[in-house]
Amino acid sequence: DTAVSQTPKYLVTQMGNDKSIKCEQNLGHDTMYWYKQDSKKFLKIMFSYNNKELIINETVPNRFSPKSPDKAHLNLHINSLELGDSAVYFCASSQLPRSSGGTDTQYFGPGTRLTVL
Amino acid sequence: GESVGLHLPTLSVQEGDNSIINCAYSNSASDYFIWYKQESGKGPQFIIDIRSNMDKRQGQRVTVLLNKTVKHLSLQIAATQPGDSAVYFCAEIPGSNDYKLSFGAGTTVTVRA
Repeated sequence: DTAVSQTPKYLVTQMGNDKSIKCEQNLGHDTMYWYKQDSKKFLKIMFSYNNKELIINETVPNRFSPKSPDKAHLNLHINSLELGDSAVYFCASSQLPRSSGGTDTQYFGPGTRLTVL
Repeated sequence: GESVGLHLPTLSVQEGDNSIINCAYSNSASDYFIWYKQESGKGPQFIIDIRSNMDKRQGQRVTVLLNKTVKHLSLQIAATQPGDSAVYFCAEIPGSNDYKLSFGAGTTVTVRA
């Protein structure tokens, strides 16, 4: 059983298009994340939601909009795709924050490789 | 095999030898550290973690050492196997924010048969 799943695994699209990546976790976690991994394997957090509330929003263009319909899902919508958006996008989830007695260990999905042509 | 310095992008190690992957962090307020392993085409996978009130923690074939004085973290893999070939990331969480995991640049480990 997949703990954190993402769809699609590969996404190839033209510049200027709008696309979405979906993420679901069945771990019962309250917190979910989106990361971007560039061609040099550098991982950088983009967003984090806790119980459907946005808690981290790094310096990300507003073309990127996360949406959390419930705490098990965190989708990423990208408008007006640009060449520089090409990367692997990872979704992750973790249990309650430490301040509520949980742990910080984040569990990652398999990634979505986005290629913008 | 051992990686040294702030960051060494690659480490080649003979199968059966021990591996040491090093990581330097800059935030003295960080109080939680994690090592992740990322195999080709997959997401990062949790290996082991350590809190700042400890200096050593052992798992199955892996040991993490934390030196807060010099802000240095290392991952030791005993009897390295071909399945250990991957990119290894250290990550830290600053004490001020429970959620924000900050990743290092990663070290690619290649195991030679």
